[in-house]
Amino acid sequence: DIQMTQSPSSLSASVGDRVTITCRASQDIRNGLGWYQQKPGKAPKRLIYAASSLQSGVPSRFSGSGSGTEFTLTISSLQPEDFATYYCLQHNSYPRTFGQGTKVEIK
Amino acid sequence: EVQLVESGGGLVQPGGSLRLSCAASGFTVSSNYMSWVRQAPGKGLEWVSVIYSGGNTYNADSVKGRFTISRDNSKNTLYLQMNSLRAEDTAIYYCARDEVVIKGLRNYYYGMDVWGQGTTVTVSS
Repeated sequence: DIQMTQSPSSLSASVGDRVTITCRASQDIRNGLGWYQQKPGKAPKRLIYAASSLQSGVPSRFSGSGSGTEFTLTISSLQPEDFATYYCLQHNSYPRTFGQGTKVEIK
Repeated sequence: EVQLVESGGGLVQPGGSLRLSCAASGFTVSSNYMSWVRQAPGKGLEWVSVIYSGGNTYNADSVKGRFTISRDNSKNTLYLQMNSLRAEDTAIYYCARDEVVIKGLRNYYYGMDVWGQGTTVTVSS
């Protein structure tokens, strides 16, 4: 199975900050990487798929990059509604595997 | 509107069984890959099982031999039959569409795009 290592596990940031979250795959997954946002008590919401494709309706301050084994989610200017937990998901093969999550908190 | 609604969760004793349902609207379950994903209390997301549009299934090692994914095409509904339940199966269970896009002769797999609201399973005596 492909292991996904996500970092950091948590971060504190202020509104307007640029935030970067990283995911590393244990083997080459080409561009098979998605990013999800989850708020307490809610289902995950897809932000990015295929490493860099923005989900329809998601603000353009969210962007994804990378290929192979190294991937990044960037929030260009953090907004109050962005405080949540973020997960990466490798969708290159089964079993699907998630990163451990990154909790983005208010500084 | 594309929507998934889960039901069937509850409290069950260790060793017991439970069947979860996931009713879809706005799209056809049998034409899509469909997955179950779970989240233990305070923990991250764990993929559990998939059923392909062709009907083949694949399970995570943690549930292999105990859980069975299936669908009823006439009801446009996905199921997860869970047997021999353990305390570590306690979680919120989400169903999700596992997006596949066909472009020409190739399939492109994009992961879970539509999620239900989740149903809670508690395994405890």
